[in-house]
Amino acid sequence: AQSVTQLDSQVPVFEEAPVELRCNYSSSVSVYLFWYVQYPNQGLQLLLKYLSGSTLVKGINGFEAEFNKSQTSFHLRKPSVHISDTAEYFCAVSSSNTGKLIFGQGTTLQVKP
Amino acid sequence: DTAVSQTPKYLVTQMGNDKSIKCEQNLGHDTMYWYKQDSKKFLKIMFSYNNKELIINETVPNRFSPKSPDKAHLNLHINSLELGDSAVYFCASSRGAWDHQETQYFGPGTRLLVL
Repeated sequence: AQSVTQLDSQVPVFEEAPVELRCNYSSSVSVYLFWYVQYPNQGLQLLLKYLSGSTLVKGINGFEAEFNKSQTSFHLRKPSVHISDTAEYFCAVSSSNTGKLIFGQGTTLQVKP
Repeated sequence: DTAVSQTPKYLVTQMGNDKSIKCEQNLGHDTMYWYKQDSKKFLKIMFSYNNKELIINETVPNRFSPKSPDKAHLNLHINSLELGDSAVYFCASSRGAWDHQETQYFGPGTRLLVL
C-alpha cells in the first residue's frame, strides 16, 4: 500500500523568506508525485508533478520540488514567498497499479508581512 | 468559462434528508472523481468514473450513490444524511483513467453541513 506523510501541519514564514514543505512517501513500486495547492475556499490546483527524468521539477508561481528516491521524499521549495502564497499545500502520490491519487494530510503555509 | 463546476456551493440540511450535488466539466475529459475533505482538511477519494463507467469505488456507505449520465457529468446523491457527512465534497476530472500521470482538475467544492 502507498502512503504520503507531510511532516509539518503548519509552516509560518515571513514574506520574502525561503520555505520548504516536506513530503515523504512509501511505496513498493514506481510512483508519480504531485504537489497541489488549495487557496482559501477554493478547489485544488496543480503546482507541479514528477513523472520521470530530472529529479528537480519546476512548477508554477516559482515553486520547485526535488524527487529523492533513496530518501523517498519530494520536498517543495520556494526561495522567496509572497503573502499570496498563503494556502494549504498537499503532496500526493499515484502509481500505475493503484488507479488513484493518495493525498498527504496537508501543510498550511502562513506567510506573514 | 469554469472548467469544473459544482452546484450547489453550500448545502445546509437536516439529518435524515436526501440531497444531491452536481458536477460538470467542459474540458473534454474522460474521467471524473468525487473526493471528500473532512474538517481536518484530509482529502480522500470516494468514486471515479471513466466514460460513464465506475472504476473506483472506495469504502463508502451505500447511502452515497454516484451517477454519470454522460462523461461530462458526475452527480453525487446522498440518502439519509448523517452528522458525519458534513464535509467539503470536491469533484475533479482528468484526461485518462489508466494513465495515472494525468493532472486532476478540481471544482470549487460543495460545503455540506448536516444539522
